[in-house]
Amino acid sequence: EVQLVESGGGLAQPGGSLRLSCIASGFTFSDYEMSWVRQAPGKGLEWISYISADSTTTEDADSVKGRFTISRDNARNSLYLQMNSLRAEDTAVFYCARGRTYPHGLMMGYFDFWGQGILVTVSS
Amino acid sequence: DIQLTQSPSSLSASVGDSVTITCRADLTFRNYLNWYHQRPGKAPKLLIYQASTLQSGVPSRFSGSGSGTHFTLTISSLQPEDFGTYYCQQSYNSWTFGQGTKVEIK
Repeated sequence: EVQLVESGGGLAQPGGSLRLSCIASGFTFSDYEMSWVRQAPGKGLEWISYISADSTTTEDADSVKGRFTISRDNARNSLYLQMNSLRAEDTAVFYCARGRTYPHGLMMGYFDFWGQGILVTVSS
Repeated sequence: DIQLTQSPSSLSASVGDSVTITCRADLTFRNYLNWYHQRPGKAPKLLIYQASTLQSGVPSRFSGSGSGTHFTLTISSLQPEDFGTYYCQQSYNSWTFGQGTKVEIK
């Protein structure tokens, strides 16, 4: 059974940092692209970061570029999100999601499994 | 960034009704469009990928169609467990989601 379990959330002050982790099980983690998607309270879904299976390619949404860094450790079946310079508008539930490529596709197209989500609150 | 606009923003329907949700893009692309369902307090669940392919395990009452700038998700016979919010998502240029369509059961 595929499982993704996030941890590391909580309360952070504006300008502060947090590091989220996502532990994967039930599949060969090193074969899959991964992403982080967040959802502000009462709002919709926002993709924020992508990493290729071998970590050679990353991409970030403009809203987090230069502040958040996605990384992974395939030996530990783990995905990470280092969040610096946090702002109140970063308050959200953060999901890690497994990426899949369309048949004959080159890059991640959709998210087929999601973690349960972890809440990050940025407030003084 | 590609903008996706879903309509309606919310709807209320009865069990057994046929429901259609539309997702329009501001830029044309082939079929790099996916649909998700999210119940309150839960993670999103993939329903349809590449516009019309049903994800394994998803009931056949869900179907997707469309290409270019106009895509639709249809629930042929609404069930009580189908309440929640539905999102479309594109992967033609980075990855973005529509704003969501909230479905309530009458």
